[in-house]
Amino acid sequence: DAGITQSPRHKVTETGTPVTLRCHQTENHRYMYWYRQDPGHGLRLIHYSYGVKDTDKGEVSDGYSVSRSKTEDFLLTLESATSSQTSVYFCASRGGHEQYFGPGTRLTVT
Amino acid sequence: GNSVTQMEGPVTLSEEAFLTINCTYTATGYPSLFWYVQYPGEGLQLLLKATKADDKGSNKGFEATYRKETTSFHLEKGSVQVSDSAVYFCALPSNDYKLSFGAGTTVTVRA
Repeated sequence: DAGITQSPRHKVTETGTPVTLRCHQTENHRYMYWYRQDPGHGLRLIHYSYGVKDTDKGEVSDGYSVSRSKTEDFLLTLESATSSQTSVYFCASRGGHEQYFGPGTRLTVT
Repeated sequence: GNSVTQMEGPVTLSEEAFLTINCTYTATGYPSLFWYVQYPGEGLQLLLKATKADDKGSNKGFEATYRKETTSFHLEKGSVQVSDSAVYFCALPSNDYKLSFGAGTTVTVRA
């Protein structure tokens, strides 16, 4: 499997605070993705990147921004966290047609 | 675009029972098809894949055959174990760089 790590693994934050989640991959994959996973909604794509500084929106991008300054790193930022953004966030990178997932970050917004 | 429809479950089985999770797809052409597994507290892992019609993917005792006649990619295992308790997702490329995932099927295997 691709070496994908996420940090932090768990975070509790207050409504209105900014939060940045980090994803790091060691496979030199061009494409990277951020998903959120919620009960009853499955996996939903937030943003993705198709190269350094090249990003685009997914299906649930409102309230989120991303940045990719290096091939190996993809950051997800919640500019002002809301309770509806409490979720488990997964990063993935793409090799061939398959995607390889990180272990996830559990974010709680109180 | 391409999409999958997956049996939702939950599914509860006893150890050594036979497991089938249905997945059907709608696609242009014959894209690769995937099954992912998510164990409790972990990310998704690629379980198996098939890259063309009539291919059979297999891994860890699981199998799935890419059937273009029925547009299906059902996941099967002949004898499940408690350690197979997980959520299973069917997936296929929705375009050149995104995957479309099914809703996931939660499987619980009881000793």
